[in-house]
Amino acid sequence: QKEVEQNSGPLSVPEGAIASLNCTYSDRGSQSFFWYRQYSGKSPELIMSIYSNGDKEDGRFTAQLNKASQYVSLLIRDSQPSDSATYLCAVTSGGSYIPTFGRGTSLIVHP
Amino acid sequence: GAVVSQHPSWVICKSGTSVKIECRSLDFQATTMFWYRQFPKQSLMLMATSNEGSKATYEQGVEKDKFLINHASLTLSTLTVTSAHPEDSSFYICSAGPLAGRTFNEQFFGPGTRLTVL
Repeated sequence: QKEVEQNSGPLSVPEGAIASLNCTYSDRGSQSFFWYRQYSGKSPELIMSIYSNGDKEDGRFTAQLNKASQYVSLLIRDSQPSDSATYLCAVTSGGSYIPTFGRGTSLIVHP
Repeated sequence: GAVVSQHPSWVICKSGTSVKIECRSLDFQATTMFWYRQFPKQSLMLMATSNEGSKATYEQGVEKDKFLINHASLTLSTLTVTSAHPEDSSFYICSAGPLAGRTFNEQFFGPGTRLTVL
C-alpha cells in the first residue's frame, strides 16, 4: 500500500514569513513528486514538480526532495494571504503515471 | 499549455436522473484521463482511470455501472452518473496527463463539476 502523509494543519504563518510544508511517502521506488495548490471550492493546480534529490526553485516556491529520507517539502517565501489554500503532495512510482495524493495541508497566511 | 476544461461547471438534478460530465484537453492529446471525486473538506478520491479507446479501470468500491466512463477520443472523456441520488452530490474533477515527451508525469486538472442531487 503506497502512502503519502501530510500534516493536515492548519499551518498558520504571518504575511511575509516562510511557510514550510512537508510530505513523506512510503514507496522507495517513487520517482516523481508534485505539489498542487487547491483553493476552497476549486480544483487542484500544479505548482511544482521535482524528480531529483535537492532543491528546485520557481519564484517564491522551492521544492526539496530527499529520497533517502523519503520526504519532499515545499517552501513558500514571502508568504501572502493569497497563498492561503490547501497544498496537496502527490507521488508517482515505478513507471506508473497514476499519482498517490496526500490528504493535503491547509495553509493560512494572516496579515 | 496543458489546459483541461470541464462542462458543466455545476449541475442540479433530481434524484433518479442521469448526468453527463465532459472533460476535454484543449491544447494537448491525453491518452489517459482520470476522474476524481471530492466531498467537502475531504481529500481527492480517484474513481477511475480512462484510456482512449479502451474500458476504464475503476478503483475498488466504485460502481462501474453507476459511473459510466467513455474516452472516445484523445481529447474527450465523459463521466455519466446514472440514476443519481443525493449521496452522489459531490465535486467531480477530471485530470489528464502525462504530456507526451515530458520527464515528469504531471496531471493537469479541469476546473471541476459540482453536482447537487435533490
